[in-house]
Amino acid sequence: NAGVTQTPKFRILKIGQSMTLQCTQDMNHNYMYWYRQDPGMGLKLIYYSVGAGITDKGEVPNGYNVSRSTTEDFPLRLELAAPSQTSVYFCASSYADRGLNTGELFFGEGSRLTVL
Amino acid sequence: GENVEQHPSTLSVQEGDSAVIKCTYSDSASNYFPWYKQELGKRPQLIIDIRSNVGEKKDQRIAVTLNKTAKHFSLHITETQPEDSAVYFCAAIRGGAGNKLVFGAGTILRVKS
Repeated sequence: NAGVTQTPKFRILKIGQSMTLQCTQDMNHNYMYWYRQDPGMGLKLIYYSVGAGITDKGEVPNGYNVSRSTTEDFPLRLELAAPSQTSVYFCASSYADRGLNTGELFFGEGSRLTVL
Repeated sequence: GENVEQHPSTLSVQEGDSAVIKCTYSDSASNYFPWYKQELGKRPQLIIDIRSNVGEKKDQRIAVTLNKTAKHFSLHITETQPEDSAVYFCAAIRGGAGNKLVFGAGTILRVKS
């Protein structure tokens, strides 16, 4: 199992450009998440999904969009990139049981995005 | 929604000493409290977790305690080693659909040899 794979690992964008961070997991997890990590600020949830076709906003969704057409894939779209979106982005997945209690989050290696 | 506060933001200990990191949460219905360790440049990884039906859980040199009444939980690392140096994050979540795991801001632990 590869676990959670996200691409690209590094990217530099110009202000106003758009891009998609790709995330795929091969563990058949139902829950998937996108977090951003800024220095000293911990992990902030951008969007999450509890299953294919279902997405919801997290704490900091502005400027981002997501889709979940399959169990495996959860891409994050940045529209009109701004310097405030310079960050490290982590995709994660977990399995939630029938009681909808989530367990361990498995993270990807992270994507470092710089907007200039 | 849930809010998690974590203290201290940085912690330096001598090798062999103990380290304690504390978190408080706001949602009394939260029932799952994991701790993640992130080494420099790496992804966060789960090191221990506790559910609200127990008060303490141990795994070798690490332990987590939970006080539901006071709404706080703590990570205890004994006999610290240089490889324990990392950023540690606590988190909390209420079970059920649509609920979100909320992380604390993190604690930088430095173990001096």
